Amino acid sequence: DAKTTQPPSMDCAEGRAANLPCNHSTISGNEYVYWYRQIHSQGPQYIIHGLKNNETNEMASLIITEDRKSSTLILPHATLRDTAVYYCIVGTRYGQNFVFGPGTRLSVLP
Amino acid sequence: DSGVTQTPKHLITATGQRVTLRCSPRSGDLSVYWYQQSLDQGLQFLIQYYNGEERAKGNILERFSAQQFPDLHSELNLSSLELGDSALYFCASTAGGGGRTDTQYFGPGTRLTVL
Repeated sequence: DAKTTQPPSMDCAEGRAANLPCNHSTISGNEYVYWYRQIHSQGPQYIIHGLKNNETNEMASLIITEDRKSSTLILPHATLRDTAVYYCIVGTRYGQNFVFGPGTRLSVLP
Repeated sequence: DSGVTQTPKHLITATGQRVTLRCSPRSGDLSVYWYQQSLDQGLQFLIQYYNGEERAKGNILERFSAQQFPDLHSELNLSSLELGDSALYFCASTAGGGGRTDTQYFGPGTRLTVL
């Protein structure tokens, strides 16, 4: 079973920030939070990951709460090409055996 | 482009047959993971190999087997195929040696259709 809980779907207006929440209340101290997305039937694409500090890269920002029980992926200026299923996963640093839940289907609307 | 390649892109076969899916990891990556994605099941982890050795097993059927070769490419063998085996099969690779950037990078997948 997936160790994370995400809303099944969300809409976002093009050009606005998309904030995707994830609950991972049973996360262990050595587990990272990873975010991937899957566009249509393409291979999942890595977005970002973090342990406890907030992270930012060219694609997104990851905000992890202080108790690490939840996190939010932020796409700062969503475009139509960001329409995809977004997966939040917790996994260890070595040999991660990811458990993918159903994810959040983000629809970016014009 | 993730750097992970998979062949073939599409495969159509009949029930009872056997097929082999191939995965080449990113250059330098030692670990290969296999996943199955069917319409009603989502992405399911099947098996992981690290530097030629089996590292972890997930929901892999006994009819399925995999191996990783000395050049680090991997093959997933599916035998006695059933209609329910129709799915997308993805492989992913990581450096496998740990480290902060040890994330999984996925290939484009092989779409298997069993008729």
